Amino acid sequence: EPEVTQTPSHQVTQMGQEVILRCVPISNHLYFYWYRQILGQKVEFLVSFYNNEISEKSEIFDDQFSVERPDGSNFTLKIRSTKLEDSAMYFCASTSQGSGYGYTFGSGTRLTVV
Amino acid sequence: AQSVTQLGSHVSVSEGALVLLRCNYSSSVPPYLFWYVQYPNQGLQLLLKYTTGATLVKGINGFEAEFKKSETSFHLTKPSAHMSDAAEYFCAVSSNSGYALNFGKGTSLLVTP
Repeated sequence: EPEVTQTPSHQVTQMGQEVILRCVPISNHLYFYWYRQILGQKVEFLVSFYNNEISEKSEIFDDQFSVERPDGSNFTLKIRSTKLEDSAMYFCASTSQGSGYGYTFGSGTRLTVV
Repeated sequence: AQSVTQLGSHVSVSEGALVLLRCNYSSSVPPYLFWYVQYPNQGLQLLLKYTTGATLVKGINGFEAEFKKSETSFHLTKPSAHMSDAAEYFCAVSSNSGYALNFGKGTSLLVTP
């Protein structure tokens, strides 16, 4: 069964550093998403990406964050100047027909900012 | 804005007993509703979804949910719990735009022998 692949599974970074979280969505999917889950809290929407541009973003997704699909297969989330409160599990997801079809999520990257 | 409320952050059932996880939604448009399951150290897996049509939807692993518009509910049930059902369960509703999903806070299901 096709999978969404995320790397790395766990990343530790120092406060103020930049991190790039990587995702390989399912190959024929057209819609891509990033969500995050702070420990003990609910899953929160960050951004959706379609047709090589951001289609929607949440209030969380400020200038510190950016997304890119650099080569037609990878989908990345960049966090500039990380803060302690950025520590969370970050999930990538993809779908072929928008959210109503249901996403396929990756296993997540646990980001720890120290 | 579309939102969901999951009643009960923790639910404990005996193996073989009925599982009932509650979800109520708020939506200004006909909602798309979802249940996801998260096993420890894993991503979220789609259990089932309601978009249109039949209000009783069946999902994987013997779970089902019923969309009740009059009650704005989408409760998840399973007739007989199995130890392997122990996990975190999330209800979600699609946003107005249709791009995002808004998740509930989750319900942790514990199954005891």
